[in-house]
Amino acid sequence: DVKVTQSSRYLVKRTGEKVFLECVQDMDHENMFWYRQDPGLGLRLIYFSYDVKMKEKGDIPEGYSVSREKKERFSLILESASTNQTSMYLCASRRDQPQHFGDGTRLSIL
Amino acid sequence: DQQVKQNSPSLSVQEGRISILNCDYTNSMFDYFLWYKKYPAEGPTFLISISSIKDKNEDGRFTVFLNKSAKHLSLHIVPSQPGDSAVYFCAVSLLGGGTSYGKLTFGQGTILTVHP
Repeated sequence: DVKVTQSSRYLVKRTGEKVFLECVQDMDHENMFWYRQDPGLGLRLIYFSYDVKMKEKGDIPEGYSVSREKKERFSLILESASTNQTSMYLCASRRDQPQHFGDGTRLSIL
Repeated sequence: DQQVKQNSPSLSVQEGRISILNCDYTNSMFDYFLWYKKYPAEGPTFLISISSIKDKNEDGRFTVFLNKSAKHLSLHIVPSQPGDSAVYFCAVSLLGGGTSYGKLTFGQGTILTVHP
């Protein structure tokens, strides 16, 4: 079974802080993804990576960056957290379809 | 501009009856279509998929129908069970090459409630 693990289920941070969300997968998948889920908006792609050190912007990359130093780990970075980044963040990985998701990190920015 | 739309935010169905969830997309280039189910406090789990060369795919109680000319996708659940109560997301993809390979675009989701 594919296992995608997100380091925190719940996180509370303050505006202006630099925030790191970590994701690890155990299936040697090339492709990894970060989404945010907001009510009425579905899942929106922030960034994705198709190989180590490679990254591509998704649909809403502003205010975020990513890091993929090892194949199994994909990190999402909020450079200077703002209240509009309060959301559910979901990581996914795949080799072929479908994508497999972690359980999400509910992030609150105060 | 939303490329994938699920126009019904919610659907309520009696146990044992059919649930039909709908999804519309705008780009005729999409060639792979998926449905995910999501329970609260969990990540989405893959349910069923269909490629553009087919118009129907069935897996147990779940059937996905694809109408390419109408750019419309639907998920049928028969019979519906209370454990099916969840948020359902449709997603579309391009299986072609390039760095966008396999990128998914999701609809807004439909909350399904199945009453005993």
